[in-house]
Amino acid sequence: EILMTQSPATLSVSPGERATLSCRASQSINSDLAWFQQKPGQTPRLLIYAASTRATGIPARFSGSGSGAEFTLTISSLQSGDFAVYYCLQYNYWWTFGQGTKVEIK
Amino acid sequence: QVLLQESGPGLVKPSETLSLTCAVSGGSISSDNWWSWVRQPPGRGLEWIGEIHGGGNTNYNPSLKSRVTVSMDKSKNQFSLNLNSVTAADTAVYYCAARIHLSFYWGQGTPVTVSS
Repeated sequence: EILMTQSPATLSVSPGERATLSCRASQSINSDLAWFQQKPGQTPRLLIYAASTRATGIPARFSGSGSGAEFTLTISSLQSGDFAVYYCLQYNYWWTFGQGTKVEIK
Repeated sequence: QVLLQESGPGLVKPSETLSLTCAVSGGSISSDNWWSWVRQPPGRGLEWIGEIHGGGNTNYNPSLKSRVTVSMDKSKNQFSLNLNSVTAADTAVYYCAARIHLSFYWGQGTPVTVSS
């Protein structure tokens, strides 16, 4: 079983600032990692797949990087609609979600 | 465009079996894809429950494996989740989902409460 650890649990950021979220796998998952954004009462929204490829319609301020076991999601300039919970998901072997990072307004 | 739609009871009694179905449209459930169930307890994160391949193979979350069965009905193009011996800890929004080619598809989710 592959475990996924996200950090930090909560990130306080001012609008317009950069946010950097981390996700670590317990073993190498190559680039089989996705990032989702979830707002209250909504279905998770795919942002990034294959570690660094933006999904259709996702703004360029969202970027993903990493491979192996260390991954990062960067939001270059936070907008009001970006305050949400973000989950990483490994799909290299079955699926495992990270526990989530809540991005809140500072 | 693949669409997924969950259905099933919103209330299940403790010790009974939770049964949900996911109807798939815009794609064949018999294809070379894996069809998953994911849940989210109130105020908590996402948990993968298990999956079934278009060929019928299944995989389950080790923490739930003893209580979970995922099956498919090819004639109806749908797949199902059975979770037995439920407790209040199984109260959650249940999603069906799939990774197809380079994207992920989700149902809208269905809330299930375990209570007498």
